[in-house]
Amino acid sequence: AQTVTQSQPEMSVQEAETVTLSCTYDTSESDYYLFWYKQPPSRQMILVIRQEAYKQQNATENRFSVNFQKAAKSFSLKISDSQLGDAAMYFCAPIGGMRFGAGTRLTVKP
Amino acid sequence: GAGVSQSPSNKVTEKGKDVELRCDPISGHTALYWYRQSLGQGLEFLIYFQGNSAPDKSGLPSDRFSAERTGGSVSTLTIQRTQQEDSAVYLCASSSRTSGSFTDTQYFGPGTRLTVL
Repeated sequence: AQTVTQSQPEMSVQEAETVTLSCTYDTSESDYYLFWYKQPPSRQMILVIRQEAYKQQNATENRFSVNFQKAAKSFSLKISDSQLGDAAMYFCAPIGGMRFGAGTRLTVKP
Repeated sequence: GAGVSQSPSNKVTEKGKDVELRCDPISGHTALYWYRQSLGQGLEFLIYFQGNSAPDKSGLPSDRFSAERTGGSVSTLTIQRTQQEDSAVYLCASSSRTSGSFTDTQYFGPGTRLTVL
């Protein structure tokens, strides 16, 4: 079975600080992509960043980066210089989508 | 198309009635997915289409739920004899997924909020 675990239901960060959201998973697949999605109060799911499992280099997208540990099946998201607009639910989908974690609600304090 | 669209955006129905939810994927996307998101919860996978066929419908919670896709485009999720526990946001996504691949980014619609009274 493919399982996805986001162990932090809620996280809080001060504006301009850095926060890391964790995600672990279990799969027998070898070729897959990993995704982080953001869902603001508007309910629209937006892709934040994606990582190819065969690449050792961690993906970076502006202030967002991942720490991908394939052997440990860990895929965390780091948000640097947090902004008020980053407040949202964050979901990881580390097995090519279709299986999502329960989400982490991120609050950004001014 | 500009993006994934879903209709209606909100649906209120009475227990026992049937409802149909519609999804229009991005033009050219071969894969289409349905998810259910209960209040404050994560996404629960329901069904996946590749073209008009559904290789994975393992997430459909009961035989009251069914979905179809025609012309490799529009999809309809039907819930028969709705129950209060069916109340949720139903999200649709599409991707240019190649069969057997786990590599494509999904693009989501805005969802349909279903309320069963």
